Amino acid sequence: EDQVTQSPEALRLQEGESSSLNCSYTVSGLRGLFWYRQDPGKGPEFLFTLYSAGEEKEKERLKATLTKKESFLHITAPKPEDSATYLCAVRAGYSTLTFGKGTMLLVSP
Amino acid sequence: DAGVIQSPRHEVTEMGQEVTLRCKPISGHDYLFWYRQTMMRGLELLIYFNNNVPIDDSGMPEDRFSAKMPNASFSTLKIQPSEPRDSAVYFCASSPLLLGQETQYFGPGTRLLVL
Repeated sequence: EDQVTQSPEALRLQEGESSSLNCSYTVSGLRGLFWYRQDPGKGPEFLFTLYSAGEEKEKERLKATLTKKESFLHITAPKPEDSATYLCAVRAGYSTLTFGKGTMLLVSP
Repeated sequence: DAGVIQSPRHEVTEMGQEVTLRCKPISGHDYLFWYRQTMMRGLELLIYFNNNVPIDDSGMPEDRFSAKMPNASFSTLKIQPSEPRDSAVYFCASSPLLLGQETQYFGPGTRLLVL
């Protein structure tokens, strides 16, 4: 059974204080690791897809990396508008997405 | 494109009543997914369709839940009878058929409260 574990559950940062969110996964035959951002009262919004170990993708202050066992979402010099819940999901073989429970990020000014 | 559209956005009902949630996927997307999100269990897949045909409904919790997709632009998720433990946010998502690039796009969700 595919499993996705995200840590920490919640993270509070000061504006400008860089940090990383972790997504550990157990799947057979990874066909994609997905990062989503979810704001309160809204649906998840797609950020990145990573397909192979060593791959990296960036978008503004966010950078996602992938190894054979985990993915990191690095947040550089975060701003209050980066506050959200970040969800990680994996897709194995031809199956559907399995989501982690997310990391709730709060960035204080 | 307007994105995935869901209605209603909020629903409050009493135990035993029938609830119908509606979804309009992004035009041209071949896949449609129904999810349920709770604090305890996170985001769980209930059922998904490919070209209007249900492919996997193993996530549907009980026979009280049913989903239909009569055409490419409309799907419903029905709960009958509803129970307090069904209270959750229900999301619809759609994705295109791009082999290896099946990014799912989510709607805003329906927040359901069963009293």
